[in-house]
Amino acid sequence: DARVTQTPRHKVTEMGQEVTMRCQPILGHNTVFWYRQTMMQGLELLAYFRNRAPLDDSGMPKDRFSAEMPDATLATLKIQPSEPRDSAVYFCASGLVLGQEPYEQYFGPGTRLTVT
Amino acid sequence: GENVEQHPSTLSVQEGDSAVIKCTYSDSASNYFPWYKQELGKRPQLIIDIRSNVGEKKDQRIAVTLNKTAKHFSLHITETQPEDSAVYFCAATGKDTGRRALTFGSGTRLQVQP
Repeated sequence: DARVTQTPRHKVTEMGQEVTMRCQPILGHNTVFWYRQTMMQGLELLAYFRNRAPLDDSGMPKDRFSAEMPDATLATLKIQPSEPRDSAVYFCASGLVLGQEPYEQYFGPGTRLTVT
Repeated sequence: GENVEQHPSTLSVQEGDSAVIKCTYSDSASNYFPWYKQELGKRPQLIIDIRSNVGEKKDQRIAVTLNKTAKHFSLHITETQPEDSAVYFCAATGKDTGRRALTFGSGTRLQVQP
């Protein structure tokens, strides 16, 4: 049963520290998404990649957030410096997107980030 | 871009009753409409989806209907059980090959009272 995995599952850090979240997409999926979920904002798309290339990061605060895909099995989301307002659950999701065909998107378990 | 609106934001039903959650979308080119269930502290899980060439799809107690003309789709849960209690999200995605990200509704918190 293939699943998206994320590490760490929980992270507590102090304001100003760097945070790195990692995601392993389902093997064979070519598209990776990063979402942020808070009680107030629902599921907010931050960035996504197709075949490791960034397609859209317009939802991400540019000054402190960065997303990369060093290889097909690893996606990272970094926050530097972190702020209390970044406290949220960060989900990674992956899917196999082929042209205009509908595709199923699967979520990882999330990283719960608390910035004090 | 796509805009998805979801109603109601909260829904409380008695066990055994039916529950209906409705969503509207703005992009007439959208061709895929999944529904996700998220239990407290868990990941969103895909429970059912429908493509634009289909009007209705059923899977045991859940069903989804799509009205392309009106640009709305709905989730129907029959014979609700306490384990159906969760937040449900609808989503839509279009044919724009450059984008193809899901746009999510704001979620419906369903509570099934035993």
